[in-house]
Amino acid sequence: GIQVEQSPPDLILQEGANSTLRCNFSDSVNNLQWFHQNPWGQLINLFYIPSGTKQNGRLSATTVATERYSLLYISSSQTTDSGVYFCAVGPNYGGSQGNLIFGKGTKLSVKP
Amino acid sequence: DGGITQSPKYLFRKEGQNVTLSCEQNLNHDAMYWYRQDPGQGLRLIYYSQIVNDFQKGDIAEGYSVSREKKESFPLTVTSAQKNPTAFYLCASSMDRGLEQYFGPGTRLTVT
Repeated sequence: GIQVEQSPPDLILQEGANSTLRCNFSDSVNNLQWFHQNPWGQLINLFYIPSGTKQNGRLSATTVATERYSLLYISSSQTTDSGVYFCAVGPNYGGSQGNLIFGKGTKLSVKP
Repeated sequence: DGGITQSPKYLFRKEGQNVTLSCEQNLNHDAMYWYRQDPGQGLRLIYYSQIVNDFQKGDIAEGYSVSREKKESFPLTVTSAQKNPTAFYLCASSMDRGLEQYFGPGTRLTVT
């Protein structure tokens, strides 16, 4: 089945710094989502981005489907950005088509 | 407010007992999903349902059962056959299978 790799696994930033999180996937997809999991476990939708570029405030994301990767940019980080960021992809063929396959996440800690 | 609710937030059970986790959505979504998350890991798909009265096994269905009698509801039963039931369980829904998924707040199940 499709493999999803996120990097780095852990990231520590000083408040105000910028960061880039990466998601590589091993096969073609028709769905890609970025989530932020807060300390209480809630998964918050950040982007639905099977291809192209989107921006939402200090966050932006780019997916290059032909090269099988997606990037999440966080600018001017704040302590409230801390948590785990997940990338999840939906294969566009096979038995898992329509489902989401999750990476293991990037754990971000923003220090004041 | 439209959203997905899960209850209870925390659940404690003795080994050998079946337990049912509730998931309700008022988003008018056709597709619903159950995921399991273990510490430090991404989410893994247990079951999904594309439409009422239909559901399919995900990647880790052994020891679990579901029903989908109403569009709004997709309860998950963790049976005594599940070898390692202690985990964080998340329910999700989407307008249709393969489209953007939205998650509930989760249920933390502890079995001793």
